[in-house]
Amino acid sequence: EVQLVESGGGLVQPGGSLRLSCAASGFSFSSYWMTWVRQAPGKGLEWMANIKRDGSEQYYVDSVEGRFTISRDNAKSSLYLQMNTLRAEDTAMYYCARHVGSIWDYWGQGTLVTVSS
Amino acid sequence: QSALTQPPSASGSPGQSVTISCTGTSSDVGGYNSVSWYQQHPGKAPKVMIYEVSKRPSGVPDRFSGSKSGNAASLTVSGLQAEDEGDYYCASYAGSNKYVFGTGTKVTVL
Repeated sequence: EVQLVESGGGLVQPGGSLRLSCAASGFSFSSYWMTWVRQAPGKGLEWMANIKRDGSEQYYVDSVEGRFTISRDNAKSSLYLQMNTLRAEDTAMYYCARHVGSIWDYWGQGTLVTVSS
Repeated sequence: QSALTQPPSASGSPGQSVTISCTGTSSDVGGYNSVSWYQQHPGKAPKVMIYEVSKRPSGVPDRFSGSKSGNAASLTVSGLQAEDEGDYYCASYAGSNKYVFGTGTKVTVL
């Protein structure tokens, strides 16, 4: 069974940093692109970042380019999102998702990040 | 990377049909046959309902169908059922390995 379990969310002050993790199981992690998607409270989904199977390529939405870094450790079947210089508008539920073709076929349950003083 | 435009809400009675639009540009919806649709129930992760404009993943009822014309895509839910109530989001490839979601539509079954 495919499972994606996010962790690392919490309360952080503006300007602070946080590292999210996503533990994958039930599939060959290194064979898939992976994605982070976020959803602000009561708002819609926002594609954040993609990472290639071997981690050699990363792509970001403009609003986080330079502040956030997506990475992966295929040996640990884990996906990460390093978030720096956090702003109030980064407050959201962060989901990791498996990317196949042009869709996300499996999603985690999300981890909540709250940026507030 | 502007969000695709969807109507905020749509509704229908059980058994009726509802159609949700998703409007983008020639740089996303109009430029690729990579439009997908996701259903999200409160407190849950999204679930893919349609991919590549009109294809249904296994397990998705054939009541769900998708289409595209120019820079706009649409999702139709026929024979509405109570469990179809929820939020629906379109998504499209936007070139350069980037993607964009729609603004979301809340579907209510009356």
